Amino acid sequence: KNEVEQSPQNLTAQEGEFITINCSYSVGISALHWLQQHPGGGIVSLFMLSSGKKKHGRLIATINIQEKHSSLHITASHPRDSAVYICAVRSVTSGTYKYIFGTGTRLKVLA
Amino acid sequence: DGGITQSPKYLFRKEGQNVTLSCEQNLNHDAMYWYRQDPGQGLRLIYYSQIVNDFQKGDIAEGYSVSREKKESFPLTVTSAQKNPTAFYLCASSRDRVNEQYFGPGTRLTVT
Repeated sequence: KNEVEQSPQNLTAQEGEFITINCSYSVGISALHWLQQHPGGGIVSLFMLSSGKKKHGRLIATINIQEKHSSLHITASHPRDSAVYICAVRSVTSGTYKYIFGTGTRLKVLA
Repeated sequence: DGGITQSPKYLFRKEGQNVTLSCEQNLNHDAMYWYRQDPGQGLRLIYYSQIVNDFQKGDIAEGYSVSREKKESFPLTVTSAQKNPTAFYLCASSRDRVNEQYFGPGTRLTVT
């Protein structure tokens, strides 16, 4: 079992729909990072959070440390939101920080 | 503009040849990282460097080598010993080992 699990793996939505992508992890973490990867391959940072909730435009990220779960929400989705969304956790083991990545959620938003 | 550049975007090599991927950052970050991405898998850490002239092996370092002679540069060499080198390679940097990582645009390497 992967230490970071994302669901769903693939998601197709109609423009305007509310979208939720989930991330569950099994390790102790100091922070969780949501990333966006467009078809060209480059990765853009969306949010880094260690508690509560963050909002930027139409994107909202929440984290529940006790339940080891985070969600990324996209309100009023648009075709330009089509991308792979990656959850990464920053774990700490013996004083060493390490990023552990989920396999990503591929989102396609249809016009 | 501050950021991370990787070159080239696409790279083709024959089996048995070494190839070096470039990564440069002008963010004044101390820490730099190399990741490999394969279809259906999460990014995996190849090497990382927390400071100039120092670097550490990641989870999949076999068949790769790096150097960190300058703060802004962290080139990755894919050697002929790497059994399955065809992949997408991403470089990242962070202010230090604790802070958020920023990623470059990636290099897609194809070895035939």
